[in-house]
Amino acid sequence: GENVEQHPSTLSVQEGDSAVIKCTYSDSASNYFPWYKQELGKRPQLIIDIRSNVGEKKDQRIAVTLNKTAKHFSLHITETQPEDSAVYFCAASLDAGNMLTFGGGTRLMVKP
Amino acid sequence: NAGVTQTPKFRVLKTGQSMTLLCAQDMNHEYMYWYRQDPGMGLRLIHYSVGEGTTAKGEVPDGYNVSRLKKQNFLLGLESAAPSQTSVYFCASSYIRAGGYTFGSGTRLTVV
Repeated sequence: GENVEQHPSTLSVQEGDSAVIKCTYSDSASNYFPWYKQELGKRPQLIIDIRSNVGEKKDQRIAVTLNKTAKHFSLHITETQPEDSAVYFCAASLDAGNMLTFGGGTRLMVKP
Repeated sequence: NAGVTQTPKFRVLKTGQSMTLLCAQDMNHEYMYWYRQDPGMGLRLIHYSVGEGTTAKGEVPDGYNVSRLKKQNFLLGLESAAPSQTSVYFCASSYIRAGGYTFGSGTRLTVV
């Protein structure tokens, strides 16, 4: 089955700096890669996703890049703000809507 | 449109007691899932369902049972609660080929 590894497990940045979280996956058949943000005590919420026919996708300060050959994808957050502090999860599945395999999560702390 | 609703939000059980967690979605999603999330850890899949009347085991199914008698509801049962089942339980649902999961707000369960 699919295995998703996520690094780093914790990340501390200064407000205004950029943050990058990386994930690798094992199943070359995976085609859908979402990212979730989970604030303390809240449910995970989808913040951005990418499908395998796209190399990069942006939404304001967040972007995701995908390298299918190397089987890795990354989340980039620019101009970080304290409200970006949360746990971020990457995931992979065969197709959108299918069962997701999650990475272990990254705790991002943005220091004011 | 409520999305995914979980009840109850909090519960304290004594060891050996049983209970049922209810997940209801109003988005006509085919797939539904139950995850548990322990402190500082990621999401582990307990059971899932790809349609009404069907269920399957996930990564950590022992001690839990599920049923999906109606498409919109997915029930998680604990037959004889143990302290190791103290966790936050999240239900999620998804629609074929249409994106990632929608999560419920979670149930915080403590077994004493």
